[in-house]
Amino acid sequence: AQSVSQHNHHVILSEAASLELGCNYSYGGTVNLFWYVQYPGQHLQLLLKYFSGDPLVKGIKGFEAEFIKSKFSFNLRKPSVQWSDTAEYFCAGRGRNSGYALNFGKGTSLLVTP
Amino acid sequence: DVKVTQSSRYLVKRTGEKVFLECVQDMDHENMFWYRQDPGLGLRLIYFSYDVKMKEKGDIPEGYSVSREKKERFSLILESASTNQTSMYLCASSFSGLAYEQYFGPGTRLTVT
Repeated sequence: AQSVSQHNHHVILSEAASLELGCNYSYGGTVNLFWYVQYPGQHLQLLLKYFSGDPLVKGIKGFEAEFIKSKFSFNLRKPSVQWSDTAEYFCAGRGRNSGYALNFGKGTSLLVTP
Repeated sequence: DVKVTQSSRYLVKRTGEKVFLECVQDMDHENMFWYRQDPGLGLRLIYFSYDVKMKEKGDIPEGYSVSREKKERFSLILESASTNQTSMYLCASSFSGLAYEQYFGPGTRLTVT
């Protein structure tokens, strides 16, 4: 099971800037890590997930994340953000209980300005 | 497309009232979850269910109970609502197993006055 922490709570970027949101996890057995996004007024949806294999994971809408075991990190990246990427982003790790619930970070609010 | 629906988007209740929040999923998922989302705190697990009539407490179960009588439906009950239960409540569901992600409903914004 992993608990996760997100470094940045509020990020403001201009369109076309590169994005990197930090997420660190605590070691706890099998690693299952996720990034979810919540656009204004919409439900949480999965961006990408890591279970094993290639540490560079590609998700929807041009997002990717890199699992770096030595740094206990799973940072989310996008080379060029758009105004439509304005949203709240949550990193999550598999919880400790048997129900496969997720432990979520506190979230990062991203505002992309035109 | 997986669909997780919640009975209300917005709800206003008075202190001491009994409140029912309902969640329905249409993908035959074994697992269902109730989370609470508060600014600066992220999502916190209240309860989850891994089968009909089976439930386990999450991280913040105090003041809440749940019911799962049918596989597709998972209800969250606030026995006696209090102002500190004003929050956004999110339901989620998934297949059983580590490989499966959770699908979320749109949320219910509950205000207790």
